[in-house]
Amino acid sequence: DVKVTQSSRYLVKRTGEKVFLECVQDMDHENMFWYRQDPGLGLRLIYFSYDVKMKEKGDIPEGYSVSREKKERFSLILESASTNQTSMYLCASRAGGSYEQYFGPGTRLTVT
Amino acid sequence: GQSLEQPSEVTAVEGAIVQINCTYQTSGFYGLSWYQQHDGGAPTFLSYNALDGLEETGRFSSFLSRSDSYGYLLLQELQMKDSASYFCALYNFNKFYFGSGTKLNVKP
Repeated sequence: DVKVTQSSRYLVKRTGEKVFLECVQDMDHENMFWYRQDPGLGLRLIYFSYDVKMKEKGDIPEGYSVSREKKERFSLILESASTNQTSMYLCASRAGGSYEQYFGPGTRLTVT
Repeated sequence: GQSLEQPSEVTAVEGAIVQINCTYQTSGFYGLSWYQQHDGGAPTFLSYNALDGLEETGRFSSFLSRSDSYGYLLLQELQMKDSASYFCALYNFNKFYFGSGTKLNVKP
């Protein structure tokens, strides 16, 4: 069964902290994505990766960076967390040649 | 750029048919997807339209008209478990651009 897991369901951090969100997929997918989801705004793409060590910016990359050292793992980094980064963060993966994204359960991040 | 519009909320009765519309503006795209998300859950893939016309998967169908910049998701024989948010998403150059979602309330 297809699986995307995220390191935490809930996370509370302080302003200015460096935050790491981890995502792991067990489907050998080439493509991985990080979205944030806010009420009334849908899902907005932060970054995606189409291969190990490869990344591309999405629509809202400011304040975020990513790392993909292994095919199965894609990390989202908040260099210096701010209150406007309080959100639900969703990771997804997709096989090359497929249109179906598989989403993880999400991490609800609160920055105080 | 890409922009998609969906109604924010739709209410329907169990057993009925409901259509959730998605209009979009884009400079180009490969196809239109639909995802379902229950409260507290992860989005799950429902359908993908690469070509104009209707795609049917069980009780759910999805339609695309590129000439009208319009698509819809049709849910038949509504069940209480269909109460969820539904998102349309444009696919272009490896990226997906999501609408803001439509909350479907199914009433007994």
